[in-house]
Amino acid sequence: NAGVTQTPKFQVLKTGQSMTLQCAQDMNHNSMYWYRQDPGMGLRLIYYSASEGTTDKGEVPNGYNVSRLNKREFSLRLESAAPSQTSVYFCASRLGQGLYEQYFGPGTRLTVT
Amino acid sequence: TQLLEQSPQFLSIQEGENLTVYCNSSSVFSSLQWYRQEPGEGPVLLVTVVTGGEVKKLKRLTFQFGDARKDSSLHITAAQPGDTGLYLCAGGRGSNYKLTFGKGTLLTVNP
Repeated sequence: NAGVTQTPKFQVLKTGQSMTLQCAQDMNHNSMYWYRQDPGMGLRLIYYSASEGTTDKGEVPNGYNVSRLNKREFSLRLESAAPSQTSVYFCASRLGQGLYEQYFGPGTRLTVT
Repeated sequence: TQLLEQSPQFLSIQEGENLTVYCNSSSVFSSLQWYRQEPGEGPVLLVTVVTGGEVKKLKRLTFQFGDARKDSSLHITAAQPGDTGLYLCAGGRGSNYKLTFGKGTLLTVNP
């Protein structure tokens, strides 16, 4: 099993450009999450999807949109990138059913100039 | 807001030394997870503890959940350079789909 996969691994954008970060999991997990990780700030939740067909805002949702395409896939879109969105983005998934453990992808390192 | 405070924030030790890192909260958690994150990678789950007072061992790593389920510790015996990384604790509570993450302890083990 691949677990949680993310594409791309690296991306450089100019201010105002848009892009979509892709995430897929093959563990038949119910919940999926998008985090950003910045030095000194820890992991911050952007959006999550508790189950297929639902999405909810996390701690820092401004400037982002998400789509839970199906049970496997959860994408994160930046409509108009800003330098403040320079970060490392992680997707994670969780089985649910009373279990809290989350499993993370390898991350996307995004730089906005 | 349920906060998880981790200490120390940074720790640099020599190979062979023992160390303990802490994860503390004023809130009760249903379970607590420890993750290790290596540079350029995503966090990897090490262990989950769910019962107050629970102790789990993973080779040279010992994890303990406090009796009141508000705090946890990670003890590493005879640290090795391969233990270098960011150690994160995270707590889950009730039916909440979200985890509360600490900011981590950055451990460097020098050869």
